[in-house]
Amino acid sequence: AQSVAQPEDQVNVAEGNPLTVKCTYSVSGNPYLFWYVQYPNRGLQFLLKYITGDNLVKGSYGFEAEFNKSQTSFHLKKPSALVSDSALYFCAVRDGYNFNKFYFGSGTKLNVKP
Amino acid sequence: SQTIHQWPATLVQPVGSPLSLECTVEGTSNPNLYWYRQAAGRGLQLLFYSVGIGQISSEVPQNLSASRPQDRQFILSSKKLLLSDSGFYLCAWTGTPTGANVLTFGAGSRLTVL
Repeated sequence: AQSVAQPEDQVNVAEGNPLTVKCTYSVSGNPYLFWYVQYPNRGLQFLLKYITGDNLVKGSYGFEAEFNKSQTSFHLKKPSALVSDSALYFCAVRDGYNFNKFYFGSGTKLNVKP
Repeated sequence: SQTIHQWPATLVQPVGSPLSLECTVEGTSNPNLYWYRQAAGRGLQLLFYSVGIGQISSEVPQNLSASRPQDRQFILSSKKLLLSDSGFYLCAWTGTPTGANVLTFGAGSRLTVL
């Protein structure tokens, strides 16, 4: 079965500090991994994806994610957090057998304090 | 460019009343279409997806149904709403289901059942 786990309900960081939002996955077949961000009362916005190739993936708004096959992880990172990064972040995996289906983690609330 | 529209944005309905949420996509043809529900501002639950007109896959037994009467139109319905149907409903689309295609979400419809 495909699944995604985001072990932290909330992450608190100070502005200017690096941030990490954790994600681990379980998938049959090749992993297709995604990160999305959601601002209050809005739909989800795509940040970045891992399909194949370099383990470090760069995305929108200065975010990047590191794919680690041995640890089945896909952690979201940013070198210097902004207050405006405060939002709800979702990790997602595409079903390796049925590309029509996506599975999302439970979300991590990122709070960046000035 | 492609755009996705959802309406209504906000809906307050009494228990036992019917429901109709509509989603349309512009600028593409034969999209895969999805309905997700987000309860309490957290995880996303896949409700239905459709790979073509009249083709609906149901993921979870619900008091809800979906229909796709036209290529770029996806409708979520209920004959009689329950309190537990309250939530934030998100429509999404993706192109041909290769691994690389991402889900693009609409702005969401917030349903409150009283």
